[in-house]
Amino acid sequence: SQTIHQWPATLVQPVGSPLSLECTVEGTSNPNLYWYRQAAGRGLQLLFYSVGIGQISSEVPQNLSASRPQDRQFILSSKKLLLSDSGFYLCAWSVTGTNQPQHFGDGTRLSIL
Amino acid sequence: AQSVTQPDIHITVSEGASLELRCNYSYGATPYLFWYVQSPGQGLQLLLKYFSGDTLVQGIKGFEAEFKRSQSSFNLRKPSVHWSDAAEYFCAVASGGGADGLTFGKGTHLIIQP
Repeated sequence: SQTIHQWPATLVQPVGSPLSLECTVEGTSNPNLYWYRQAAGRGLQLLFYSVGIGQISSEVPQNLSASRPQDRQFILSSKKLLLSDSGFYLCAWSVTGTNQPQHFGDGTRLSIL
Repeated sequence: AQSVTQPDIHITVSEGASLELRCNYSYGATPYLFWYVQSPGQGLQLLLKYFSGDTLVQGIKGFEAEFKRSQSSFNLRKPSVHWSDAAEYFCAVASGGGADGLTFGKGTHLIIQP
C-alpha cells in the first residue's frame, strides 16, 4: 500500500533562517505531488504541485520554493523565513492524471519566532 | 474559477444524533467532489468522493454524501455521530483541467456534545 511521510512534525525557526521540509511517498510511481499551507481559519492554500521530476508549478508568489529531485521526493524550501510563513504545511500525493483524490501526510507545524 | 463554500464554521451535535454538513460549489462543468476529515494536528483523510454516476456516495466511517446538481451542493451526512467524529471537515472540488490541486472550502468544525 502507499504511504506518505513528512518531516519534521514540528519546527520552530527564527525569522530570516532557512527552511527545508521533506516529503516522500512509498508504494507508487510517478505520483503527482503537492504542498499546501493551512493557516488558522483559512482552509488550505495550494502552494506548489509537481507532475514529475524537476517539474514544479507555483500557485502563489512568495518566498518559498519547491523541488522534486527524485520521483517520490518533494521538498519545500525557503532561504529566509518571514513571520507570515508560520502555519501547518501539508504534503499530498495522487496518482497520475486529472481529478484524482489526494492523500495527505501528517503535516509539519512551523512556528516562526 | 471553481470555488467551494462551507456555510457553517462550527456545528455542535449531540452524540447519537444525525449530522449534515453543508457544501456548495461553483464550477462550470461536471464537478469532481471530495470530503476530507482532519483530526487536530494531523493531515487530511479522504472520507468519500463523487466523480459520476449514483448521486449518493458512501464513504468510510459511516459517512455518505449526496450530489445535487440543481442546488450545486454536496452535503455530508451521518445517521448517528460518535464522539470520535469530532474534527474539522473539508469539502473540495477538483479543477477538472489538469493535475493542479484541489480547491478546498474553509472547513466546518464539528463538536460532539455528550
